[in-house]
Amino acid sequence: EVVLTQSPGTLSLSPGERATLSCRASQSVSSSNLAWYQQKPGQAPRLLIHGASSRATGIPERFSGSGSGTDFTLTISRLEPEDFAVYHCQQYGGSPPTFGQGTKVEIK
Amino acid sequence: QVHLVQSGAEVEKPGAAVKVSCKASGYSFTTYYIHWVRQAPGQGLEWMGIINTASGSTAYAQKLQGRVTVTRDASTSTVYMELISLTSDDTAVYYCARGGRVGVLWGYMDVWGRGTTVTVSS
Repeated sequence: EVVLTQSPGTLSLSPGERATLSCRASQSVSSSNLAWYQQKPGQAPRLLIHGASSRATGIPERFSGSGSGTDFTLTISRLEPEDFAVYHCQQYGGSPPTFGQGTKVEIK
Repeated sequence: QVHLVQSGAEVEKPGAAVKVSCKASGYSFTTYYIHWVRQAPGQGLEWMGIINTASGSTAYAQKLQGRVTVTRDASTSTVYMELISLTSDDTAVYYCARGGRVGVLWGYMDVWGRGTTVTVSS
C-alpha cells in the first residue's frame, strides 16, 4: 500500500503568515489522485483539494495544492483565524486508499 | 443538499459487536460509493472499507478483514457498518463519507457524516 508521510508534524504560525504543508508518498500516486482535508476539533474532516490541485466547492482561494508523483504540497497563502486546524492528505489512486498522519497548524 | 446522517454513540463490551448506520439524502444513492473511515482518540484517519451502493460489492482494509461487514439498503438509502469481536483498540469515531461515482474511481471523500463514537469498555 502507499504510505503517506506528512511534514512537519506541527506548524506554529501567526495569522496572516503563509503555511506550507508537505505530503510525500512511498510510491508514485497515479493520476495525481491526492486529496487534502481540514479537520477541526470535534468535527468531521472537510474536503479542501482533490486531484492534487483542484479546490473543492466553496473553498477559499487562499488554499492551493500542487505536486505530482510522490511529492505534494498544500499552501495556505495567508492564515485566517479559522484555518488553525489539522490537515490530512489522502491518496485514492491505489488500493487501499491511505491517509497521512496529519499536520497540525497551531497559533504561534 | 447532500447529507449523510449517522446513528448515535455506542458503548460496547469487549468481544461484542457494533452496527453503525449512515443514511444518505440529497442525491441519487446508487450513484456514488460510500467509504467508512475511523479515527482513534488523538490519532489519524484510518480507511476501513467501501461499498458499491448499486451492486452491494465491498472491499475492506486487510487488517479488518473478517471482522468488518458493510451492507446497504437501497430502499432507504442507508449504509451499515458492522464490526465484531470488539477490543479497546476499536474505540474510535467512525465516519461514513461519500466517494466517487460508481463504476469509476473509488474517489476522494467529498461529503462526510458527523461521526459515531464507539467506546469499547468493560
